[in-house]
Amino acid sequence: GAVVSQHPSRVICKSGTSVKIECRSLDFQATTMFWYRQFPKQSLMLMATSNEGSKATYEQGVEKDKFLINHASLTLSTLTVTSAHPEDSSFYICSARDHSNGAQFFGPGTRLTVL
Amino acid sequence: GQNIDQPTEMTATEGAIVQINCTYQTSGFNGLFWYQQHAGEAPTFLSYNVLDGLEEKGRFSSFLSRSKGYSYLLLKELQMKDSASYLCAVRDLTDSWGKFQFGAGTQVVVTP
Repeated sequence: GAVVSQHPSRVICKSGTSVKIECRSLDFQATTMFWYRQFPKQSLMLMATSNEGSKATYEQGVEKDKFLINHASLTLSTLTVTSAHPEDSSFYICSARDHSNGAQFFGPGTRLTVL
Repeated sequence: GQNIDQPTEMTATEGAIVQINCTYQTSGFNGLFWYQQHAGEAPTFLSYNVLDGLEEKGRFSSFLSRSKGYSYLLLKELQMKDSASYLCAVRDLTDSWGKFQFGAGTQVVVTP
C-alpha cells in the first residue's frame, strides 16, 4: 500500500522553542494533506488542511500563527509548532490524499513533548 | 467528532465475534472508513464503504446504511492482537476538501 512518512517520530523540546514536523508521501502525489492532533485517549482532531501551492485551511480554534503549515510540493507538507508550550505536547499525525484516486493514508505520527 | 457516535469500549473473548456500531450525521457524505489504532501508533486503514451494503475483507467486515446514517464493523475469530481502538470516520465533501471527521474510537479488549 501507499506509504506516508513523518519525521521526526519523536521530539522533546524546551518551552518556547519551535518544532518542525515533516510529512511526505513516498510513492504518490498528494495535493491535499491533513494535519491531526490526538491527545491521550481522545479522538483525532483535524487541525488544518494543507493544499499544495496555496494557504492552508485551519479548523476553528486552531491558531494559524502558532501552527505554521507549508505544502511546498506534491509530496511534502510541514507543520511548525512555534513557541511550543507544554500544552502543545501531543501526538501529531498527518494524512495524505492520493491525487490519482482519492485514497487517504496516515503517517506514523510524531510524538511531541514540550518540557 | 461530535457528529459521529460509537461505543467507548467493548470486551470479548478470543475466537468470538464483536460488532462495533457507528452512527453519523453529515451533509456531504462521501464514504465511511474504519481504522484500527494501537496505543501510541497512527491509525491503519481497515475498510471503506461508500455504497449501502456489506464489504468483507477476511476476518473483518463493514456494513453501511446511508439512509440510517449507520455503519458497523464486524470482527470475527478475534485474536489477542485485535485489542486496539477502532475509529469510525466519515469523509465530508461539504467544503470540497473531503475532510475526515473521526469518532472518539471504540476500545476493543480481547481476553483469553
